[in-house]
Amino acid sequence: ETVLTQSPATLSLSAGERATLSCRASQSVRSGYLAWYQQRPGQAPRLLMYATFSRATGIPDRFSGSGTGTDFTLTINRVEPEDSAMYYCQHYAKSPLLTFGGGTRVEI
Amino acid sequence: QITLRESGPPLVKPTQTLTLTCTFSGFSLSTTGVGVGWIRQPPGQALEWLALIYWDDDKRYSPSLKNRLTITKDTSRNQVVLTMTNMDPVDTATYYCAHRSPIVDTAMADWGQGALVTVSS
Repeated sequence: ETVLTQSPATLSLSAGERATLSCRASQSVRSGYLAWYQQRPGQAPRLLMYATFSRATGIPDRFSGSGTGTDFTLTINRVEPEDSAMYYCQHYAKSPLLTFGGGTRVEI
Repeated sequence: QITLRESGPPLVKPTQTLTLTCTFSGFSLSTTGVGVGWIRQPPGQALEWLALIYWDDDKRYSPSLKNRLTITKDTSRNQVVLTMTNMDPVDTATYYCAHRSPIVDTAMADWGQGALVTVSS
């Protein structure tokens, strides 16, 4: 099983700054199998990025994904107060099908 | 528009069996590549994947919970049911169902609002 470790645990920023969130895998993963979700307080997770680089429907281009091998990054440019949320990375594999990281809390 | 909604008992006793139903619209579980999965989240904790069923009735389970889980589908009623046996207080969590589309086939593109299940005597 691939373990995903996210850092930092909490990221505090001011509006307009750039957020850089890290997701490190315990073994090399295919870029096509790495996704990111946003979960605002009291809400269900929302898919942000899939296959590392692809934005999900309706996601603004302030959000971008990058990475390869074991190190992946979610970047949020020009953060806004509505970006305050937990962010989870997720890996897709044969078994278990989905694994999630522990999350990063972003505070604006 | 795709929607999913979880339903089930908010409170179960230890050792009981939990049955959750996901009722969805906006897609069909008879379409090639489609799947519906279940993910849970204990209060204040991270997400944990539980199970997923595909359009062709292929089923996948979390290895750590496999012996306690059963996932089934009723395509005509647009429903997926998850049962979890021998419930324990550590199973207290919000349970989400989610849609796996043929286009975004390595992530869950759409989620229900979640159902909080508390396990307590």
